[in-house]
Amino acid sequence: AQSVTQPDIHITVSEGASLELRCNYSYGATPYLFWYVQSPGQGLQLLLKYFSGDTLVQGIKGFEAEFKRSQSSFNLRKPSVHWSDAAEYFCAVGARNQGGKLIFGQGTELSVKP
Amino acid sequence: DAMVIQNPRYQVTQFGKPVTLSCSQTLNHNVMYWYQQKSSQAPKLLFHYYDKDFNNEADTPDNFQSRRPNTSFCFLDIRSPGLGDAAMYLCATSRGQRGPTDTQYFGPGTRLTVL
Repeated sequence: AQSVTQPDIHITVSEGASLELRCNYSYGATPYLFWYVQSPGQGLQLLLKYFSGDTLVQGIKGFEAEFKRSQSSFNLRKPSVHWSDAAEYFCAVGARNQGGKLIFGQGTELSVKP
Repeated sequence: DAMVIQNPRYQVTQFGKPVTLSCSQTLNHNVMYWYQQKSSQAPKLLFHYYDKDFNNEADTPDNFQSRRPNTSFCFLDIRSPGLGDAAMYLCATSRGQRGPTDTQYFGPGTRLTVL
C-alpha cells in the first residue's frame, strides 16, 4: 500500500537559514508527489509537484524539491527561510488507480526564529 | 480570481444538531472533495464527486453525507455531530484528469466546533 512518512514533526530554523523538510514514500511504481503548505487556520496551498522528467522541481515562494528514486525521497528545500514561511508542510503522493486521491504524510510544523 | 470558497469559516453547533457546510468554486472543475482534518493531523478524505458521480471512502461514517446540486456547489451534511467530529473541514477541487496527476486546489476550510 502507498504511504508517506515525514520523519520530523516539528522543525525550528533561524530566519535566513536554509531549510530541508524530509519526505519518504512507499510506492510500487513511479510516484506522483506533491508538497502543500498550510498556514494557521487556512487551507492547503500547492507548493510544487513532480510527475516525471527533471527530478529537481521548482515551486512557488522560492521552494524546490528533489525526487530521488534510490532513496524513495522527495525532500523540500529553501535556501533562505523567511518568517512568513512558518506553517505546516504536507507531503503527499497521488494514489494510482484511485483517481486523484491523495495520501498525505503527517505534516511537519516549521517555526522560524528571528 | 478563480477560487474555492468555503462558508462559513467558523461554525459552532450543538451535540446532535445537524449542520451543513458549504463549498463553492469558480474554477469550473469536475471533481470536488471533502476532507476532515483534526488538530495536528493530516487531512483525511471523506468522499468526492466526479461530476454527479459520488464516491464514498470506505471508512467514512454514515453520519456524514454530501450533496452536489450543480458543478459549482458542494455541501457536507453532518446529521448528528458528536464531539469527535470537531475538526477543520477542507473542500478541494480538481479538473478531473483521470489518474493521480490531477492536481487538487483547496479552500480555506471551515472550523467546526461541537458543544
